[in-house]
Amino acid sequence: QSVLTQPPSVSGTPGQRVTISCSGSSSNIGNNFVYWFQQLPGAAPKIIIYRDNQRPPGVPDRFSGSKSGTSASLAISGLRSDDEADYYCAAWDDSLRRLFGGGTRVTVL
Amino acid sequence: QVQLQQWGAGLLKPSETLSLTCGVYGGALSGYNWSWIRQPPGKGLEWIGEIHHSGKTNYNPSLKSRVTMSVDTSKNQFSLNLTSVTAADTAVYYCARPVAYMSGNIYVPDSWGQGNLVTVSS
Repeated sequence: QSVLTQPPSVSGTPGQRVTISCSGSSSNIGNNFVYWFQQLPGAAPKIIIYRDNQRPPGVPDRFSGSKSGTSASLAISGLRSDDEADYYCAAWDDSLRRLFGGGTRVTVL
Repeated sequence: QVQLQQWGAGLLKPSETLSLTCGVYGGALSGYNWSWIRQPPGKGLEWIGEIHHSGKTNYNPSLKSRVTMSVDTSKNQFSLNLTSVTAADTAVYYCARPVAYMSGNIYVPDSWGQGNLVTVSS
């Protein structure tokens, strides 16, 4: 069981907005940056949000990250079929462990 | 952009030692922490640990007793050893620099190896 808690799955129709939550504690999310990874089928993960809410070049602005206290969220607006993937939140813990959430599968209906 | 290429045995018997190596191309090992991350089939990501180019290590406490990481700066590569493997260690193993940041006006992306499926079976 992961220290960072994510819902196993979320789904939406094309064009819809979905959000993925990531719940932690004061020793990880509450005190360290959150990263969001997208893992397409058969591929390695890739950062789509870094340092809580920063979007790398080339990542559509449909993806946005936020953090409040010990929780973080990833929002995907204007959902597209090619957004279907697994999404993982990650954060350092004050004990110097790198933590991953359990992952959330996004399905486009 | 840094590229990582990893290699090692893909099929092990219980109690054997898993050994993987990751080569860093297009950039230097220096100045970064390099991680090993694994993913059991159909499951999520698990951080195994990391090694700095200086050789300083930081391991996941749940695996610490079985893990050794090393770095060879002359070859620009780093390695993972995991002893006494069991079926529970069956996973895709990734080497990675799983962080991203801005260096001035330049975005430095995360880097991942292609992944190695390691199967533990008698």
